[in-house]
Amino acid sequence: AQTVTQSQPEMSVQEAETVTLSCTYDTSENNYYLFWYKQPPSRQMILVIRQEAYKQQNATENRFSVNFQKAAKSFSLKISDSQLGDTAMYFCAFMKQKGHSNYQLIWGAGTKLIIKP
Amino acid sequence: GAVVSQHPSRVICKSGTSVKIECRSLDFQATTMFWYRQFPKKSLMLMATSNEGSKATYEQGVEKDKFLINHASLTLSTLTVTSAHPEDSSFYICSGRPSGTYYEQYFGPGTRLTVT
Repeated sequence: AQTVTQSQPEMSVQEAETVTLSCTYDTSENNYYLFWYKQPPSRQMILVIRQEAYKQQNATENRFSVNFQKAAKSFSLKISDSQLGDTAMYFCAFMKQKGHSNYQLIWGAGTKLIIKP
Repeated sequence: GAVVSQHPSRVICKSGTSVKIECRSLDFQATTMFWYRQFPKKSLMLMATSNEGSKATYEQGVEKDKFLINHASLTLSTLTVTSAHPEDSSFYICSGRPSGTYYEQYFGPGTRLTVT
């Protein structure tokens, strides 16, 4: 069964610093998608970044980038120049196919990130 | 971006009553919608997957007679918690997957249910 592990329950950094959140996953599939979602105090789940497993190039979205190591099944998120608005829960998620045209997200436990002024 | 709304955002009900939560995709058609439950400081737990016009598929351990899901149109899915009890108190989140895609999901803002 696919699993997603986030080993850091909570992290705290100073504003403007760079922070890396770790995520590992377990799967026997070769083609899949990986995601990082952000859930701020408002509880609205927001997509931060997506990585297709068949792509070797790491995905980037402005200050957010990933380090995707397929062989190691590792998918870490780097936030550069952190801002107060980055304070949130961050969830790593793996998308698995469950039946024909049925894709589901498998979620990690989340990392609470606090950006200090 | 695609927007999903949920109504109500908060609801308090008495034990034994039923509560309906609506999930709407406002600017896209969602062939598939997902219902999640989130406990405090925990991750999302998938309850069920609903496809428009067909019966929902429930995850193991989720009572389908207690959590009734209806996906009658491409923009609306409802979750009805029947005969609610205090242990049903939780944060419920829906998401919609646009028709024609398979990896995109857009999430609603969630509904806080409190059963007294």
